[in-house]
Amino acid sequence: EIVMTQSPVTLSVSPGERATLSCRASQSVSASLAWYQQSPGQAPRLLIYGASTRATDIPARFSGSGSGTEFTLTISSLQSEDIAVYYCQQYNTWPRSFGQGTKLEIK
Amino acid sequence: EVQLEESGGGFVQPGGSLRLSCAASGFSFRSYAMSWVRQAPGKGLEWVSTISGSGDPAYSADSVKGRFTISRDNSRSTVYLEMHSLRDDDTAVYYCAKDFGRGASNYWGQGTQVTVSS
Repeated sequence: EIVMTQSPVTLSVSPGERATLSCRASQSVSASLAWYQQSPGQAPRLLIYGASTRATDIPARFSGSGSGTEFTLTISSLQSEDIAVYYCQQYNTWPRSFGQGTKLEIK
Repeated sequence: EVQLEESGGGFVQPGGSLRLSCAASGFSFRSYAMSWVRQAPGKGLEWVSTISGSGDPAYSADSVKGRFTISRDNSRSTVYLEMHSLRDDDTAVYYCAKDFGRGASNYWGQGTQVTVSS
């Protein structure tokens, strides 16, 4: 089973500043990596798939990069509505696996 | 508009059984794989099971293998999760999700609560 490790566990960022979230896979997942946003009390929402492709209707301030074992989600200018928990997920190999999440807070 | 509506959750004693359903609409159901993902109270997301558009193949997490079975009825646009031998640690919100491409989930239901307790 591929273990996905996210860092940091909690991230505090000021409005308008850049947020950088990391995800590491225990072995290569190629570019089969997705990022999800889960706002409080809500279902997850797909942000990024294929490591770097924004999903439909996702704002351009969200971007993904990386391949193999190291991945990054960047929010270029943090908005108040971006406060949420963010999860990465690999879908390259069964069983699929999620990271433990990064909680993004407003500083 | 894609819609996914889960049902069938509830309260059950350890060792009991439940069947979750997810009714889908707004897309060509038989063309897409479907997944179940769960979230225990205060915890992260855990992938549970995925079934292809045709119904075969299907995959499940080791934590539920032999106890949970995913299936689908393309004539009813519905995916199911049959759960047996339920344990306390199966307590979670269970989400149904539509997959696309190589496997990301681009639409999610609002979830159904399953509580296992004596």
